[in-house]
Amino acid sequence: DGGITQSPKYLFRKEGQNVTLSCEQNLNHDAMYWYRQDPGQGLRLIYYSQIVNDFQKGDIAEGYSVSREKKESFPLTVTSAQKNPTAFYLCASTEGGRYSTDTQYFGPGTRLTVL
Amino acid sequence: ILNVEQSPQSLHVQEGDSTNFTCSFPSSNFYALHWYRWETAKSPEALFVMTLNGDEKKKGRISATLNTKEGYSYLYIKGSQPEDSATYLCAPWVSNTGKLIFGQGTTLQVKP
Repeated sequence: DGGITQSPKYLFRKEGQNVTLSCEQNLNHDAMYWYRQDPGQGLRLIYYSQIVNDFQKGDIAEGYSVSREKKESFPLTVTSAQKNPTAFYLCASTEGGRYSTDTQYFGPGTRLTVL
Repeated sequence: ILNVEQSPQSLHVQEGDSTNFTCSFPSSNFYALHWYRWETAKSPEALFVMTLNGDEKKKGRISATLNTKEGYSYLYIKGSQPEDSATYLCAPWVSNTGKLIFGQGTTLQVKP
């Protein structure tokens, strides 16, 4: 079964700690994305990667970091510099690079809560 | 900041009712419009990708239309069923942003 997996489903972090959210896909997709969802707002793009070893900042990259060492994996680290990290995080992928008509395939998400 | 508005924010209907909601987006530099359905505790799933003015797409009881000149899309659900309960997201791709811009969604609850 092809798809995107995210782990963990729920994550609790103490203030001042870095945490890493996992995103893995077995769809052989080139591009991967991280979005953040806050109540009453649309999904906002944090980072995206079109190919291995390359990634670009999205609209709200401050306080986050990513890596793309393998095609199937795109982990997101939420650093202590992120002022308001409590949110729902969605990972997505598209088959091609980044094209306007490419359907996004989403993972089930990780809910991060800062205690 | 480009604005994508979905209305209404939430909707409660009875089983069998037909319903529709709206997505408004900037009409300039338009490339494509995506609709996704997001059921509770599941991943968002693609419904439609539309590019041409006047485009109409249909999947079962769900259909969508697109007006790129005035910057809006309608999503229609005919004879709503409880399994249609979900949040429906629209996301236009505007060329000078190079990405999808998601609306806040319309949450539909269908009561049996």
